[in-house]
Amino acid sequence: DTAVSQTPKYLVTQMGNDKSIKCEQNLGHDTMYWYKQDSKKFLKIMFSYNNKELIINETVPNRFSPKSPDKAHLNLHINSLELGDSAVYFCASSQDWGSAFFGQGTRLTVV
Amino acid sequence: GENVEQHPSTLSVQEGDSAVIKCTYSDSASNYFPWYKQELGKRPQLIIDIRSNVGEKKDQRIAVTLNKTAKHFSLHITETQPEDSAVYFCALLESGTASKLTFGTGTRLQVTL
Repeated sequence: DTAVSQTPKYLVTQMGNDKSIKCEQNLGHDTMYWYKQDSKKFLKIMFSYNNKELIINETVPNRFSPKSPDKAHLNLHINSLELGDSAVYFCASSQDWGSAFFGQGTRLTVV
Repeated sequence: GENVEQHPSTLSVQEGDSAVIKCTYSDSASNYFPWYKQELGKRPQLIIDIRSNVGEKKDQRIAVTLNKTAKHFSLHITETQPEDSAVYFCALLESGTASKLTFGTGTRLQVTL
């Protein structure tokens, strides 16, 4: 039973394309996140949702649009992909005031 | 937002030695401090955490200490083993919100035979 699962695991696409990454958690957590991990391994928060409501949007370009249809799902849609978007994207979930559990990551490569 | 500084960025120790990683922060109201381990190609995983009402917590070979006055917290790994080799991240939950976990810049630990 995977607690936080995201798909796809790998994504290779051309510049200018639009792509989506899906995330689901079965932990019953109220909060879900998207983090971006660059080549230097820095983990930067992009978005945080609590009970389907956007809580945090960390100066992310508006080409990135998260969508939370319910509190168990948080998807990430990216428009007009750029080379600099290449990174590993992690979905995570947590209960209030608790630690985050991460998905396996999506390695996005823009060529 | 909160700034979490983590040192060192790389650390090489011999098997059996101890490793210490330190993080400093600026928001004195932060009250939850987890540590994560990320093996190559895998997801970050929680290894230990501490809340601000305690100064130290231990779990077998790993321990975390928190000094709220000085605003720093540290991860201690004793009797290191090759499987401890990974990138370690400190993190903290920013005050005023239940929903923002901010990470340090990571420490790449290499345990050599």
